[in-house]
Amino acid sequence: AQSVTQPDIHITVSEGASLELRCNYSYGATPYLFWYVQSPGQGLQLLLKYFSGDTLVQGIKGFEAEFKRSQSSFNLRKPSVHWSDAAEYFCAVGDRLTGGGNKLTFGTGTQLKVEL
Amino acid sequence: ETGVTQTPRHLVMGMTNKKSLKCEQHLGHNAMYWYKQSAKKPLELMFVYSLEERVENNSVPSRFSPECPNSSHLFLHLHTLQPEDSALYLCASSQARGRRTDTQYFGPGTRLTVL
Repeated sequence: AQSVTQPDIHITVSEGASLELRCNYSYGATPYLFWYVQSPGQGLQLLLKYFSGDTLVQGIKGFEAEFKRSQSSFNLRKPSVHWSDAAEYFCAVGDRLTGGGNKLTFGTGTQLKVEL
Repeated sequence: ETGVTQTPRHLVMGMTNKKSLKCEQHLGHNAMYWYKQSAKKPLELMFVYSLEERVENNSVPSRFSPECPNSSHLFLHLHTLQPEDSALYLCASSQARGRRTDTQYFGPGTRLTVL
């Protein structure tokens, strides 16, 4: 069965500093990977996704992620963090459902705090 | 309205009450999902409907009863809940092409408190 590990529960960075959030996955075939962000009291917003092709994917809000098959990783990065990036970030791997749609397996999330 | 909407945003209910959560998607999708998000636990997939048929039921207690009358609307009927059912309930929608690439889009959630 697939699984996702986000080893960092909390991360604190200063505004303007670079950011890297770690995500490791376990999946038997080519993984389809997603990063979502959740602001307090809100739903999940899709940041970016990797399906195939270029292993460096660009997302919204200046985020990018790099797929590394050899390390089973899909780490999220941002070169310069803004205070508004404070939120919880979730990595997920997708699997198909026979009847249609897909099933996302999520990590436990990383809570990002930004110091001004 | 755009995207995925959920009502109510907050709900407080007693253990003997019956209430319903509503989700509506305006994205032209035909798969809809219910998730439960509890503190310190990963998001849990509860139910999946594809083309108005239930295709996934993750061993959810019978006190949660989903309903999908059409591809744009999804309900979660609640009765005789327990305090441990207090959580954020998230709805999502996607295309239903049976591909792992079907991307899910989420609503803002309903914060449920069971007293």
